[in-house]
Amino acid sequence: DVKVTQSSRYLVKRTGEKVFLECVQDMDHENMFWYRQDPGLGLRLIYFSYDVKMKEKGDIPEGYSVSREKKERFSLILESASTNQTSMYLCASSLRGSGRAVNTQYFGPGTRLTVL
Amino acid sequence: GNSVTQMEGPVTLSEEAFLTINCTYTATGYPSLFWYVQYPGEGLQLLLKATKADDKGSNKGFEATYRKETTSFHLEKGSVQVSDSAVYFCALSRIIQGAQKLVFGQGTRLTINP
Repeated sequence: DVKVTQSSRYLVKRTGEKVFLECVQDMDHENMFWYRQDPGLGLRLIYFSYDVKMKEKGDIPEGYSVSREKKERFSLILESASTNQTSMYLCASSLRGSGRAVNTQYFGPGTRLTVL
Repeated sequence: GNSVTQMEGPVTLSEEAFLTINCTYTATGYPSLFWYVQYPGEGLQLLLKATKADDKGSNKGFEATYRKETTSFHLEKGSVQVSDSAVYFCALSRIIQGAQKLVFGQGTRLTINP
């Protein structure tokens, strides 16, 4: 079974702190994604990566950065956490597609981050 | 642009009732369409998918048909169970840099009462 793990299920941080959220997948997937999930808004893509050291902005990258030094690990960084970044963060991974090939995204269990 | 609109929740039904959760989309080209499910305390899991017009995706008794003429992908199940209680997300895909980026609807929370 594909497994995507996230470093913490719950995290509480203070405004201005630097926050690292870690995601690891064990299926040798090329693509990895970070989303945030908010009630009434569904999931919104923050960043994704299609290869080691490669990254692309998603729909809401402001206030976030990412790092992908190894294929299996994708980190989301909040340089200076703010209260409006309180949310559920979901990581996902998938195989690299070709043409119209549909490759399922596999999700981790999520990290609920509260910024006080 | 690409967007997905889902039926407003929450939805509450009795066990064995018929379920429909509406989903419509706006997209350029011909996206693939998905339903994901999120059980309490868990991440999202793919429930079913359809990659072209008139395709029907099905899994665990759920079905959805890709309707290009109405730009819809409604989720249906003939007889729901308490264990179907979850949040359901409709999504479409767009391909960027070989990565399939998903655009999600807002989610519909479903509660099934015994």
